[in-house]
Amino acid sequence: QKEVEQNSGPLSVPEGAIASLNCTYSDRGSQSFFWYRQYSGKSPELIMSIYSNGDKEDGRFTAQLNKASQYVSLLIRDSQPSDSATYLCAVRMEGDYKLSFGAGTTVTVRA
Amino acid sequence: NAGVTQTPKFQVLKTGQSMTLQCAQDMNHNSMYWYRQDPGMGLRLIYYSASEGTTDKGEVPNGYNVSRLNKREFSLRLESAAPSQTSVYFCASSEAGTGQDGYTFGSGTRLTVV
Repeated sequence: QKEVEQNSGPLSVPEGAIASLNCTYSDRGSQSFFWYRQYSGKSPELIMSIYSNGDKEDGRFTAQLNKASQYVSLLIRDSQPSDSATYLCAVRMEGDYKLSFGAGTTVTVRA
Repeated sequence: NAGVTQTPKFQVLKTGQSMTLQCAQDMNHNSMYWYRQDPGMGLRLIYYSASEGTTDKGEVPNGYNVSRLNKREFSLRLESAAPSQTSVYFCASSEAGTGQDGYTFGSGTRLTVV
């Protein structure tokens, strides 16, 4: 079982809709969780981080964490064509230096 | 504000050739990392350096070596390139390593081994 699992997509949503991305992780010692956005041919860019159970909002992005279910999600509200990218979920265990990444979910926002 | 700088951006090697990928960060970060990204595989850790003077293997270290030259620079060397090492290589850095900070990535090196 991979440490971090994401649906590869593609996830296609109409402009203005909510895009919902899911990520599950296998290690209960995981403490820090991150969402990166990666445009085609570019490097990953950090957009959200979350460490406690519950929701964290930043502009149009909301990250949700449920450690009991080993599940973290990202909601993109009012999706725009500029949100079309691959979204990477990353997880860090407590006391560890390295991040483990999922394979990414590709999102396409159609006008 | 350069952040993390990688060179070269593109490289074509013949099987058996060697090369060094360079990475430098100007954010005074302690930890640095080398990942490779392949279609459908996500980012896989090759080596990392938790702090100046230390290096550790990641998930896919075979065929690679690294040097943490100083706090700013972390290089990745391919001693004898193989077609399986065709990939996009990303260098990244983070301030504290084990804390709640994420990575800052360089722009990547696209390597093709023929």
